[in-house]
Amino acid sequence: QSALTQPPSVSGSPGQSVTISCTGASSDVGSYNRVSWYQQPPGTAPKLMIYEVSNRPSGVPDRFSGSKSGNTASLTISGLQAEDEADYYCGSYTSISTYVFGTGTKVTVL
Amino acid sequence: EVQLVESGGGLVQPGRSLRLSCTASGFTFGDYAMSWFRQAPGKGLEWVGFVRSKRFGGTTEYASSVKGRFTISRDDSKSIAYLQMNSLKTEDTAVYFCTRDSHFAFDIWGQGTMVTVSS
Repeated sequence: QSALTQPPSVSGSPGQSVTISCTGASSDVGSYNRVSWYQQPPGTAPKLMIYEVSNRPSGVPDRFSGSKSGNTASLTISGLQAEDEADYYCGSYTSISTYVFGTGTKVTVL
Repeated sequence: EVQLVESGGGLVQPGRSLRLSCTASGFTFGDYAMSWFRQAPGKGLEWVGFVRSKRFGGTTEYASSVKGRFTISRDDSKSIAYLQMNSLKTEDTAVYFCTRDSHFAFDIWGQGTMVTVSS
């Protein structure tokens, strides 16, 4: 199972919006609404930000939103803040009952 | 407080074995599948495998990179998940995280334990 493809980096100024793409295949992202997103600041454990494509766990700001079209999922951060600077990973359940994760995207707040 | 704590990491020679433990607290451990992830230095997250809850058979699934070498198990009476790693290779060097599975996502993560495979 190949890793899901994410852009290596995205950046934006405070208050702007950024979108991170996550491209998979019909056997993972395209087959299920079981895509999740994680935030990982340097030296810390990942934190769940979005599950089942577009649902936010309790405590996650509504600035974070998720969507999916075909084999590509997306995470949008609206109203970018300095504390959003981190690595972000997508993950998806697959047709062979495994999980596959993305290559990771570094978000920089300018 | 809902918490996962990994232990058992360390330095091990290639070809040897190591067992990691993940101790859970603050939730009904037996109700959840548990996964293991790893992250090599400076690299991204890699899903290693998971063990389903007893309700779903307690069966396991693994990434192709570790299948046949790694085994995940659970002891619900102690709220512990295990990752048995055999025939270790230098490329298995990573921080290993355990997680709780919920809604096909991973909502609780431990702090991680470092495994270094080197002669």
